[in-house]
Amino acid sequence: AQKVTQAQTEISVVEKEDVTLDCVYETRDTTYYLFWYKQPPSGELVFLIRRNSFDEQNEISGRYSWNFQKSTSSFNFTITASQVVDSAVYFCALIGDSGGGADGLTFGKGTHLIIQP
Amino acid sequence: DADVTQTPRNRITKTGKRIMLECSQTKGHDRMYWYRQDPGLGLQLIYYSFDVKDINKGEISDGYSVSRQAQAKFSLSLESAIPNQTALYFCATSDSSGSHNEQFFGPGTRLTVL
Repeated sequence: AQKVTQAQTEISVVEKEDVTLDCVYETRDTTYYLFWYKQPPSGELVFLIRRNSFDEQNEISGRYSWNFQKSTSSFNFTITASQVVDSAVYFCALIGDSGGGADGLTFGKGTHLIIQP
Repeated sequence: DADVTQTPRNRITKTGKRIMLECSQTKGHDRMYWYRQDPGLGLQLIYYSFDVKDINKGEISDGYSVSRQAQAKFSLSLESAIPNQTALYFCATSDSSGSHNEQFFGPGTRLTVL
């Protein structure tokens, strides 16, 4: 069985601070894919990043960066110089390749990020 | 136009009523999914479909049924709605031949069962 744990239920920071959202996963698959989604107050799910299990390079996209470490089964997400518009619920998700990748994503419970002006 | 659409966007119904949520996609994807989101629980998979002839139960399929009427359409039915099915429901699609495993989500349907 697969599992994604986002231990931080809610994080509140002041604008311009850096913030890291933690994600720890469990899977028996050797090939798997990790995702981060953003859910703003409007409710839609916004895709942020996909990372496969063979690519441990960190990725940076503007103020967003992701640190993937297989040794600790973690895929953490950092927002640098946070802004009020970053306020949202963030989900980490996992899909393994054993089912051909077709059997749906396993989501963490989400981290509610609040950026105070 | 949105690639993945869901209708209705909001629905209030009463206990015991039958209700259908519909999902349509113009992405040409073969795989479609239904998830539900409850506050503090993330998204959970209800059903998924590899193609028109293939339907599979997810982790929380009890109380739900689905129909894949065409490659582009995947409907979720609640035969007899109950209050604990109040949730936000998402449809998603993915392409078995495309960017591996990326799922594209619809805007969601907010369902309230009184």
